[in-house]
Amino acid sequence: DIQMTQSPASLSASVGDRVTITCRASQSITTYLNWYQEKPGKVPKLLIFGASSLQSGVPSRFSGSGSGTDFTLTISSLQPEDFATYYCQQTYSTMWTFGQGTKVEIK
Amino acid sequence: EEQLVESGGGLVQPGGSLRLSCAASGFSVRNYWMHWVRQAPGKGLVWVSRINREGSSTTYADSVKGRFTISRDNAKNTLYLQMNSLRAEDTAVYFCAREIHPGGVDAFDIWGQGTVVTVSS
Repeated sequence: DIQMTQSPASLSASVGDRVTITCRASQSITTYLNWYQEKPGKVPKLLIFGASSLQSGVPSRFSGSGSGTDFTLTISSLQPEDFATYYCQQTYSTMWTFGQGTKVEIK
Repeated sequence: EEQLVESGGGLVQPGGSLRLSCAASGFSVRNYWMHWVRQAPGKGLVWVSRINREGSSTTYADSVKGRFTISRDNAKNTLYLQMNSLRAEDTAVYFCAREIHPGGVDAFDIWGQGTVVTVSS
């Protein structure tokens, strides 16, 4: 299995802050990397696909970068509705895997 | 509206079985690869299984291989997950999800609301 490791596991930030979440794959996954946002009581929402492409309807303050084994999700200016848990996901292998999640909390 | 609705969850004893269903509406599942994902209480998302459009190809996470079987009935527009030899660690909310291929990569765009499976004596 390809292991996905996210860091940090949680972070505290203020509205307006720039936030960066990192995801590392245990082997190269080229750009088969997606990012999802999950809020309590809601199903996960696709934010970024293919490492850097913004899903339709997702605000442009979200961006993704990286290839190979190292990826980042950046929120350029954190908004109140962005407090949530974020997951990376690899779809390179036939067995897909998620990172363990990063919880973004209000400072 | 395109929607997925899971059912079939419940309380089962260790070693028991359950069959989950995922009914699609607003679109035809025959056009999509479909998946199951689970989330244990307070934990992260874990991919479980996927099935191709025709139902002829399936893949499983190592943790459920040999115990779970994914299947589909395209005529009924429904996905299934047969879960046997259940263990306490299978306790989770089980989601079905639709696979899409934006820009040539794979991702989930629609998720069901989930059905709760509790394995306990």
